[in-house]
Amino acid sequence: LAKTTQPISMDSYEGQEVNITCSHNNIATNDYITWYQQFPSQGPRFIIQGYKTKVTNEVASLFIPADRKSSTLSLPRVSLSDTAVYYCLVRSPAGGSSNTGKLIFGQGTTLQVKP
Amino acid sequence: EPEVTQTPSHQVTQMGQEVILRCVPISNHLYFYWYRQILGQKVEFLVSFYNNEISEKSEIFDDQFSVERPDGSNFTLKIRSTKLEDSAMYFCASSIPGTKNTGELFFGEGSRLTVL
Repeated sequence: LAKTTQPISMDSYEGQEVNITCSHNNIATNDYITWYQQFPSQGPRFIIQGYKTKVTNEVASLFIPADRKSSTLSLPRVSLSDTAVYYCLVRSPAGGSSNTGKLIFGQGTTLQVKP
Repeated sequence: EPEVTQTPSHQVTQMGQEVILRCVPISNHLYFYWYRQILGQKVEFLVSFYNNEISEKSEIFDDQFSVERPDGSNFTLKIRSTKLEDSAMYFCASSIPGTKNTGELFFGEGSRLTVL
């Protein structure tokens, strides 16, 4: 699985847009880029996943350049409740018993949103 | 919205005791996972399970650990003889792969294990 690198921490203020960039230089052709959020003492929660270009859902946008060696998670107008750890992960699709699509977590980016 | 449920939410045990952590994955999911997170550290993969057998496991998942899906709904993690360093939050997850969905992993709220 490709290794990912992201900032250890970021600070922001309520109402601002937050962009967290992740690098994954060794991403494989079949790999997807996926982002999870984790609040203290809770399980990780899926935010968004993409393969290339741009993906948007009700929570966030994910920008992936053509070379796919990096990606940027964009959180519009953050609030205090967005304070959490954000994980960038690269995963290959599950297929049979030899590849279950498991996630390998890094340290993530701790986002602190201030009032 | 369907969810992964885990019991107990918190268990305290003595070193050397056996512990069983239980999980009910989302009903139509095919892949099941256990992860753990030691306080202040990253989420670590333990094992994945598919088609009633272990598919992948990490170095952490040694002979002291076992998993089982005894009745088609529950998915359990057993630690045979707990050690102090097994104290952690244990997360169960499940997923259903496919081309029409993201294949995301759905995590439970976790079971906190404290070994004294």
